[in-house]
Amino acid sequence: NAGVTQTPKFQVLKTGQSMTLQCAQDMNHNSMYWYRQDPGMGLRLIYYSASEGTTDKGEVPNGYNVSRLNKREFSLRLESAAPSQTSVYFCASRSQGVGTEAFFGQGTRLTVV
Amino acid sequence: QQQVKQSPQSLIVQKGGISIINCAYENTAFDYFPWYQQFPGKGPALLIAIRPDVSEKKEGRFTISFNKSAKQFSLHIMDSQPGDSATYFCAASGNNDMRFGAGTRLTVKP
Repeated sequence: NAGVTQTPKFQVLKTGQSMTLQCAQDMNHNSMYWYRQDPGMGLRLIYYSASEGTTDKGEVPNGYNVSRLNKREFSLRLESAAPSQTSVYFCASRSQGVGTEAFFGQGTRLTVV
Repeated sequence: QQQVKQSPQSLIVQKGGISIINCAYENTAFDYFPWYQQFPGKGPALLIAIRPDVSEKKEGRFTISFNKSAKQFSLHIMDSQPGDSATYFCAASGNNDMRFGAGTRLTVKP
């Protein structure tokens, strides 16, 4: 049982380049999330998806797009990377309903130079 | 602005001591309040959680105290151990939304 799998684990981009961070879960969860983690800022919600076909903005959506490809996969795209997007990105998933545990991936460490 | 405020940012405790981390939330639609523990290089993992209809929940050395009227909750770690050294995040969720505090880096000195 892999849980939540993120790829890649590390990435270095040049300013202006684009890339997609991939996330897949095998727990049949409806809700999926993308967070970024920065020192002193904690985990800030970028986008979330309550179910296949729906997405909603979180606290810091600017500069990002997401796709809920199917129930298993939720991708995060940076169209034109900026140094301010240097961060560790975490994907999470959980079942719908009150009081359900969120499971996190191992993170993607992204550096934009 | 962050919907969940967490303090302190860092905490140093002696082995055997009590660690206390505090959080406050804004949105009254939140109905689930978990605490997550994160070790370096890993994703956060659920430690303990509480629903707003309960004022306290205890699991082993970990206790959540919840004050609904003040919109505050706290994590108490009794008999803190060096293995508890990690970053702790409080969170609040509701309507599929899930927000986190800024995190507390706990160091337990032997």
